[in-house]
Amino acid sequence: EAQVTQNPRYLITVTGKKLTVTCSQNMNHEYMSWYRQDPGLGLRQIYYSMNVEVTDKGDVPEGYKVSRKEKRNFPLILESPSPNQTSLYFCASSLGVGHRGYTFGSGTRLTVV
Amino acid sequence: GENVEQHPSTLSVQEGDSAVIKCTYSDSASNYFPWYKQELGKGPQLIIDIRSNVGEKKDQRIAVTLNKTAKHFSLHITETQPEDSAVYFCAAKATGTASKLTFGTGTRLQVTL
Repeated sequence: EAQVTQNPRYLITVTGKKLTVTCSQNMNHEYMSWYRQDPGLGLRQIYYSMNVEVTDKGDVPEGYKVSRKEKRNFPLILESPSPNQTSLYFCASSLGVGHRGYTFGSGTRLTVV
Repeated sequence: GENVEQHPSTLSVQEGDSAVIKCTYSDSASNYFPWYKQELGKGPQLIIDIRSNVGEKKDQRIAVTLNKTAKHFSLHITETQPEDSAVYFCAAKATGTASKLTFGTGTRLQVTL
């Protein structure tokens, strides 16, 4: 089944403790992206990648890092999480930026205390 | 950059009635307008999209209209059913490898019996 898989689905952590949210897609998509979803703010892009070893900042990149060493994986790294990074995170992929539609993962609900 | 505004933020309709969600965009270069449906606990899923060379597109009970001159587009759901209850997001994108999908803030649709 074609899908984007995120792990974990739920995560509670403490301020300052490094964490990684994994994202993997099995559709051979070139384009991958991370979004965070907050009430009243919709989906805001954190980082995106147009291909292996090519990443760039989205609208809200502060406090996050990403890497794209393989086409299928695009992990989101929070080096020193803070409470304002408590949010619902989605990974998405697409054949290309110009291609119709994104496929989203099921989301990761992160709470930083 | 692109800015997408979406209204209303919440919408309650009775089963069988129609629902309309409206979005406006700021970048006249935008030419692709998808709509996503997000059910509880899931990631957004593409339900319909329209390109700027078309004024209207229909798929069974859902339709999207686009007014390029006014820079607004709308989602129309007819004969609403309880399973239409979800959060709906509009989005806009311009062509080009550097462009990205910009989302509206979402509309929570509640279909009551």
